[in-house]
Amino acid sequence: GQQVMQIPQYQHVQEGEDFTTYCNSSTTLSNIQWYKQRPGGHPVFLIQLVKSGEVKKQKRLTFQFGEAKKNSSLHITATQTTDVGTYFCAGRMKTSYDKVIFGPGTSLSVIP
Amino acid sequence: DTGVSQDPRHKITKRGQNVTFRCDPISEHNRLYWYRQTLGQGPEFLTYFQNEAQLEKSRLLSDRFSAERPKGSFSTLEIQRTEQGDSAMYLCASRPGGTGDDQPQHFGDGTRLSIL
Repeated sequence: GQQVMQIPQYQHVQEGEDFTTYCNSSTTLSNIQWYKQRPGGHPVFLIQLVKSGEVKKQKRLTFQFGEAKKNSSLHITATQTTDVGTYFCAGRMKTSYDKVIFGPGTSLSVIP
Repeated sequence: DTGVSQDPRHKITKRGQNVTFRCDPISEHNRLYWYRQTLGQGPEFLTYFQNEAQLEKSRLLSDRFSAERPKGSFSTLEIQRTEQGDSAMYLCASRPGGTGDDQPQHFGDGTRLSIL
């Protein structure tokens, strides 16, 4: 079946260090979305990537969509304690009108 | 606040009982989604509505699960004869429709279901 995988599952970094999470889909995607979920909270939309090879930046966050539209990454520069949470990628499948499949997430801990 | 609203926030029930959850989407969002999330996992797609029409349903959803959106506004998710494995957070999300794929989903705070 269609799967979206993410690595690593957990990441502990010292405040100020960089962080990257990688997302891979078993099938080609129409687009990919990234969400952040704080402990005890609900997923909050961060960004959507649509085009092959697309790169988008939001302050210290950089998002990339692979050329084959099967993988993506999120990179955070100089992490802060406010970055703590779980980051999910979610891929919209080409074979489905509006179904989005979430990856298992990468849980980020930032040590002050 | 005009965000997605879910009720109740928590539900504790005995195995075998039926439960019903409600979701009120953001006003004028005609697309509504239900997800289930267990600890350490991402949200798992359950079903999706466009207005009152249920357009897609996960094959993982057993016949004990049913969802409705009768007037195209709020939605309910019912689980019959609950089992231990149904314990999870049930999330609802909504987004505008008819404007392409560039509108994000907005999630509610979820209903946490615990089966005793």
